[in-house]
Amino acid sequence: KAGVTQTPRYLIKTRGQQVTLSCSPISGHRSVSWYQQTPGQGLQFLFEYFSETQRNKGNFPGRFSGRQFSNSRSEMNVSTLELGDSALYLCASSSRRNMDRGWTNEKLFFGSGTQLSVL
Amino acid sequence: GDSVTQMEGPVTLSEEAFLTINCTYTATGYPSLFWYVQYPGEGLQLLLKATKADDKGSNKGFEATYRKETTSFHLEKGSVQVSDSAVYFCALSNTGFQKLVFGTGTRLLVSP
Repeated sequence: KAGVTQTPRYLIKTRGQQVTLSCSPISGHRSVSWYQQTPGQGLQFLFEYFSETQRNKGNFPGRFSGRQFSNSRSEMNVSTLELGDSALYLCASSSRRNMDRGWTNEKLFFGSGTQLSVL
Repeated sequence: GDSVTQMEGPVTLSEEAFLTINCTYTATGYPSLFWYVQYPGEGLQLLLKATKADDKGSNKGFEATYRKETTSFHLEKGSVQVSDSAVYFCALSNTGFQKLVFGTGTRLLVSP
């Protein structure tokens, strides 16, 4: 079974530009989460999508947005890039089952990330 | 808000030494606790987890016990190997396994 695939692996942009990152989850997984990893702030949760709907959101400005398609693939977009947006962006997928008593939680599988450098 | 505090690294050990990486947390309610490992150039992998007080998570010789009274989840291994060299992250979740709050990570370096 293929793992979580993130593209591109590396990206260089300049301030003010916008960027789109892509994540293909493990086959059958319907939940996709995004994290930002920087040396200063560590790992921070961006947002989570399930069934094409944003389910959870972290404390990031509106320049950070995402979406999920019907095949569960997800993209995140950062507009008006700033130097501080330079980071490793990690995507993680999981299956998520709705049981009678509520949502169950399944293990997260992470991709290798997209390293974004903003110059 | 919820937070996780890990010991500063790097932790440098010789092969077969005993490992402890300290992790304490602040959270409302009863969070689930995790240890993730990140090898160079790779994403994170779940190492072990515990979902309630006194649970012990274990995997590949690593162990951690959920201690509610001390709000801790320290990672231990009896005998480390060079291949254990990586960055280890302690994390918690109060709102489902998808939204994790991570510690800053502890780099472990094991020499032969």
